[in-house]
Amino acid sequence: DTGVSQNPRHKITKRGQNVTFRCDPISEHNRLYWYRQTLGQGPEFLTYFQNEAQLEKSRLLSDRFSAERPKGSFSTLEIQRTEQGDSAMYLCASSLARPSGGSEQFFGPGTRLTVL
Amino acid sequence: DQQVKQNSPSLSVQEGRISILNCDYTNSMFDYFLWYKKYPAEGPTFLISISSIKDKNEDGRFTVFLNKSAKHLSLHIVPSQPGDSAVYFCAASGGNQFYFGTGTSLTVIP
Repeated sequence: DTGVSQNPRHKITKRGQNVTFRCDPISEHNRLYWYRQTLGQGPEFLTYFQNEAQLEKSRLLSDRFSAERPKGSFSTLEIQRTEQGDSAMYLCASSLARPSGGSEQFFGPGTRLTVL
Repeated sequence: DQQVKQNSPSLSVQEGRISILNCDYTNSMFDYFLWYKKYPAEGPTFLISISSIKDKNEDGRFTVFLNKSAKHLSLHIVPSQPGDSAVYFCAASGGNQFYFGTGTSLTVIP
């Protein structure tokens, strides 16, 4: 396994269009996270899955955003009716939940979205 | 509201010397802290972590110190190498969410 992968790496779209990103986590990891990062900021939490269940969503995640993780493997993040403010790097991370708590996340390379 | 803060946007250090990166947090419920390194056009890479039951964790050239009373953690890199030049993010968690600082850009001068 080569780590977390994300596709596409870059996406340019026009305002109002829908876009979908895919994340393939490390295979044995049961947790998957989506983050958004803008210039000069750290990653901002968007949502998190444990297996196929979406357990938490940030208030940053407006109703135009939806994420799925069917079968607890890969995940998709869809943004409907994109706005210029959606332009950012979208990062996916996965981790293995431990009973003792505290587990590091492994990040993918990200998908850079540009909304014109 | 920024719960994790890195107040130094940049730091320059001579090769071979110590690099000290600092991070402050506001939420006393955080119990797990991490440092990540990020190169341009790549996702963050995990470096080292520490749980709140410890005050120090060491891994090779990297040591993380945690001062719970001050809500402060720091990353020491000794000796610093040019390949360490990157943006460093600290992160904190008190459950399932992770909160990241804004990053410190480290430049190690040969």
